[in-house]
Amino acid sequence: KQEVTQIPAALSVPEGENLVLNCSFTDSAIYNLQWFRQDPGKGLTSLLLIQSSQREQTSGRLNASLDKSSGRSTLYIAASQPGDSATYLCAVSSGNTPLVFGKGTRLSVIA
Amino acid sequence: GAVVSQHPSWVICKSGTSVKIECRSLDFQATTMFWYRQFPKQSLMLMATSNEGSKATYEQGVEKDKFLINHASLTLSTLTVTSAHPEDSSFYICSATATSYEQYFGPGTRLTVT
Repeated sequence: KQEVTQIPAALSVPEGENLVLNCSFTDSAIYNLQWFRQDPGKGLTSLLLIQSSQREQTSGRLNASLDKSSGRSTLYIAASQPGDSATYLCAVSSGNTPLVFGKGTRLSVIA
Repeated sequence: GAVVSQHPSWVICKSGTSVKIECRSLDFQATTMFWYRQFPKQSLMLMATSNEGSKATYEQGVEKDKFLINHASLTLSTLTVTSAHPEDSSFYICSATATSYEQYFGPGTRLTVT
């Protein structure tokens, strides 16, 4: 059974700092991996989708990497801003199957 | 991009009543829809997988007679919480997949049972 772990569970950084969020999964037979953002009381916003054949994806200040063989992904946020404060969720899929989510990393960026 | 809507966005109901939540894919046909539940400060937990025209597949521990799922078309799935109780209060989120296998999430429905 696939399990997804996210470290750290919570992170507080000063504005402007670069940071890395970690995600690991137990079964490397994945189809894709997604990073989401969730603001309190809100739904999910998809940030980046990495297909299993890809190594990384970039969108603005965000860069996500995938090492499928080792079961790891990282989300790199450059020059963090207070507006980046949210919970970041990592999820993996094995095709047309439900996403398996990690418990998330709660990020606070302090101005 | 693909858009998924949910209705209502929030609902308050009395204990013992039933509540229906709709999930629609607005600009694509969704072969499969998923229903998740999220309790405060917890991650999303899958409740069931719904394929158009067939019965939903429920995760272990989810009562199929309590959480009725209907997937009548390729753009609409509904979740009905029957005889709701305060412990059913939660944030319910649906997602839909097209041929690319990327999942598109609805904005969620917050259910409060009093």
